[in-house]
Amino acid sequence: DAGVTQSPTHLIKTRGQHVTLRCSPISGHKSVSWYQQVLGQGPQFIFQYYEKEERGRGNFPDRFSARQFPNYSSELNVNALLLGDSALYLCASSPDYEQFFGPGTRLTVL
Amino acid sequence: DQQVKQNSPSLSVQEGRISILNCDYTNSMFDYFLWYKKYPAEGPTFLISISSIKDKNEDGRFTVFLNKSAKHLSLHIVPSQPGDSAVYFCAASDYRGKLIFGQGTELSVKP
Repeated sequence: DAGVTQSPTHLIKTRGQHVTLRCSPISGHKSVSWYQQVLGQGPQFIFQYYEKEERGRGNFPDRFSARQFPNYSSELNVNALLLGDSALYLCASSPDYEQFFGPGTRLTVL
Repeated sequence: DQQVKQNSPSLSVQEGRISILNCDYTNSMFDYFLWYKKYPAEGPTFLISISSIKDKNEDGRFTVFLNKSAKHLSLHIVPSQPGDSAVYFCAASDYRGKLIFGQGTELSVKP
């Protein structure tokens, strides 16, 4: 069975640009969550979506937004990129409490 | 405030011995706890979980213990193998489902 997939794998942007990250959940999972992981820390919760509705939002600025599509895939958008947005962005899908993570998208902001 | 803490950044264990990774939490509303293993440049891999109504859960070489009164959980790996070398994260969840992660403990299992 295919796991959670994310695209792209790596991305380099410059300050002020916009980025869109994509995630496809495990088949049958209706919930998708996004996390940001910077070096030396655990993943930080950004958003959770369930059945296309936002279920939760972490302590991130409004430059971060997301949505979930009818096929349960999801996009994370970040506007006006800052150097501090450089991180590994993880997507997780879940049937219940247990969340299963994709390989992540490594975003570098120059 | 750090609601989930892993106070040991690193742990080194001899192959075949027991590895014990510890995690403390502050929020009594957490009702589900999970351990993940992470290799560099990969996403976290789910290992084992425990509900707050239990105090122990076992899966092969991995056992998680939960002490609710102390707000403490631990992951035991027996016997430890070199392939277990990775960063281990504990995470806690409330009914809303978002995960709060600790900072991680890097486990090194030496042959």
